[in-house]
Amino acid sequence: GESVGLHLPTLSVQEGDNSIINCAYSNSASDYFIWYKQESGKGPQFIIDIRSNMDKRQGQRVTVLLNKTVKHLSLQIAATQPGDSAVYFCAETSGGSYIPTFGRGTSLIVHP
Amino acid sequence: DVKVTQSSRYLVKRTGEKVFLECVQDMDHENMFWYRQDPGLGLRLIYFSYDVKMKEKGDIPEGYSVSREKKERFSLILESASTNQTSMYLCASSSGPRRETQYFGPGTRLLVL
Repeated sequence: GESVGLHLPTLSVQEGDNSIINCAYSNSASDYFIWYKQESGKGPQFIIDIRSNMDKRQGQRVTVLLNKTVKHLSLQIAATQPGDSAVYFCAETSGGSYIPTFGRGTSLIVHP
Repeated sequence: DVKVTQSSRYLVKRTGEKVFLECVQDMDHENMFWYRQDPGLGLRLIYFSYDVKMKEKGDIPEGYSVSREKKERFSLILESASTNQTSMYLCASSSGPRRETQYFGPGTRLLVL
């Protein structure tokens, strides 16, 4: 889920499909992870979080999976809806710091 | 629900003007943050504060200052606005020290001419 240059990675899906958005992190000491959703012209909105002592957490229509071995985080959205269209980005913190490191984001486009 | 509000959604200023961006949170959070967000660069931390009258530089503090006179309010000041400060400015707050989830305001889109 990292961007290159000015272009965000983009995921296009059909309404009703499941979406999987990925995020790689590099700090093996990271122990807390958050997914945010940012709609156009708005501030980021908290979706779901997970601590490093877990490998899966479920919310309403969303699931976050954490693979610490390969330092990979994913957000799964079930039955994607047009209202899910947004930029999604992950954030991670380590060592009790309250300053997260944010990923660049992935743009999710849901086609009706 | 946590509510973080920012004083303006859109601002247009001229080069050299002093600009104030205000942020207020209603959840009694200790920590407050100012970020700027630019295409391809993601969120970059300008300044943060973990208590009233306390402030710490983030990754890109040059050209900015902040003020936190009250717990609920964190102001970002552009002392002399420049065109390269045209950006989306986002305020966030979190409770600390172990609660890392940040709650964001709606953002202020600043255009410096």
